[in-house]
Amino acid sequence: NAGVTQTPKFQVLKTGQSMTLQCAQDMNHEYMSWYRQDPGMGLRLIHYSVGAGITDQGEVPNGYNVSRSTTEDFPLRLLSAAPSQTSVYFCASSTRQGANYEQYFGPGTRLTVT
Amino acid sequence: DQQVKQNSPSLSVQEGRISILNCDYTNSMFDYFLWYKKYPAEGPTFLISISSIKDKNEDGRFTVFLNKSAKHLSLHIVPSQPGDSAVYFCAATFWDKIIFGKGTRLHILP
Repeated sequence: NAGVTQTPKFQVLKTGQSMTLQCAQDMNHEYMSWYRQDPGMGLRLIHYSVGAGITDQGEVPNGYNVSRSTTEDFPLRLLSAAPSQTSVYFCASSTRQGANYEQYFGPGTRLTVT
Repeated sequence: DQQVKQNSPSLSVQEGRISILNCDYTNSMFDYFLWYKKYPAEGPTFLISISSIKDKNEDGRFTVFLNKSAKHLSLHIVPSQPGDSAVYFCAATFWDKIIFGKGTRLHILP
């Protein structure tokens, strides 16, 4: 049971390039989400999904796309990278709405856009 | 507008003493409140939660208190240990969304 896995761990992009951050979970969780963590800003929700085929926007969705074709995978796409997207990205999963609403986080992807 | 606020960016506590981390919120519709702990270069891990209909929840050394009238919650760690040095995030849930505070860095001093 690997939990939540994210690839890559580190990435450097040039402005304007596109890329996909991968996220997978093997816990059969319905709910998956993407966050970015910036110094002094805490964790901000980018996009989330409550099940396969269903996605919705979080607090800071601009510049990012998501899709959820399977329960296990929830990739995050940067369409045209900008320096403002330099951040650490975390993927998380949970049962949809348990009593504790506990989310399991991946180890993160550190992205630098130059 | 910040709905979940952690007004102390950092806190230093002597080992063995009590650590108290505070969190304020603005939305009275939040249904659960959670605390997460984060070490450097790792993802956050769940610590403890409390339903909005309760005022206290305890799990070992960790206790969360909720004061709904003041829209305030706090996490008490007793006794504080060196491994408790980390960033602590307060979070609140509403429907399918979860909103995090900016975090408080806790330093446990020897």
